[in-house]
Amino acid sequence: QVQLVESGGGVVQPGRSLRLSCAASGFSFNSYAMHWVRQAPGKGLEWVTSISYDGSNKYYADSVKGRFTLSRDNSRNTLYLQMNSLRAEDTAVYYCAKDDGRGYGLDYWGQGTLVTVSS
Amino acid sequence: DIQMTQSPSSLSASVGDRVTITCRASQSISRYLNWYQQKPGKAPKLLIYAASSLQSGVPSRFSGSGSGTDFTLTISSLQPEDFASYYCQQSYRTSRTFGRGTKVEIK
Repeated sequence: QVQLVESGGGVVQPGRSLRLSCAASGFSFNSYAMHWVRQAPGKGLEWVTSISYDGSNKYYADSVKGRFTLSRDNSRNTLYLQMNSLRAEDTAVYYCAKDDGRGYGLDYWGQGTLVTVSS
Repeated sequence: DIQMTQSPSSLSASVGDRVTITCRASQSISRYLNWYQQKPGKAPKLLIYAASSLQSGVPSRFSGSGSGTDFTLTISSLQPEDFASYYCQQSYRTSRTFGRGTKVEIK
C-alpha cells in the first residue's frame, strides 16, 4: 500500500532554515510528480510546491518562491523540502502528497509534520 | 494565479440531508477541478477528480458536477461520518490553488 511519511518538522527561529523529508513506499516513486501542501493552524489548505517525476520541473507558490527549494532522490524514494529564511507565517502542518498521474488530484497524502517558526 | 471561491464557508445540516457546496474559479479551468474531504487532525482525502469522477473507494452519495468556472459537490444523504471540511482545488495550472473550504457541521 502507498505510504508517505514526513519528517523534519520542529520549532525554528525566524530567519533560520529547516529541511523536511518525505519517504515514499508502495508505488513507483520515480513515475509520479509530488507536492507539498501546508495548513496553518485553524486555516485552510495552501498548495506550496511540486516537482515532476524526474525532478526536471519544479513549481512554487509565490509565498515561498526564492526561499524554499524542492528536490527528490528517486534512488532513495525520498522527497525533500529545503526551507530557508523562515517566517512566522510559514508556521503550519506540511503535508507531502502524491500526484495522481492524470493531471488531476492528489491521491495519497502523508500524515503531516508541524513546522513552528517562533522566537 | 487562479482564485477559487467556495461557498458557503460553513453550513449546518442533519443526517439524511442533501448538501451542496459550490466552487467558482476566477477563470475557466475546463474540468480540472478536484474535491477533498478533511477531518480534524487528519490529512485530506481525495473524493472527486476531473469535476465529476469518483475516486476509488468513495461512497456513491458523493457526486460532482460543473465545467468552466462553476462547480458543485453534492452529498445526496448526509451521513454521520461526512461531518468534515471540504475543499475544492484546481489543477488547470501548475500552481494548484485551493478554495478556502466549507465546514459541514451537525445541526
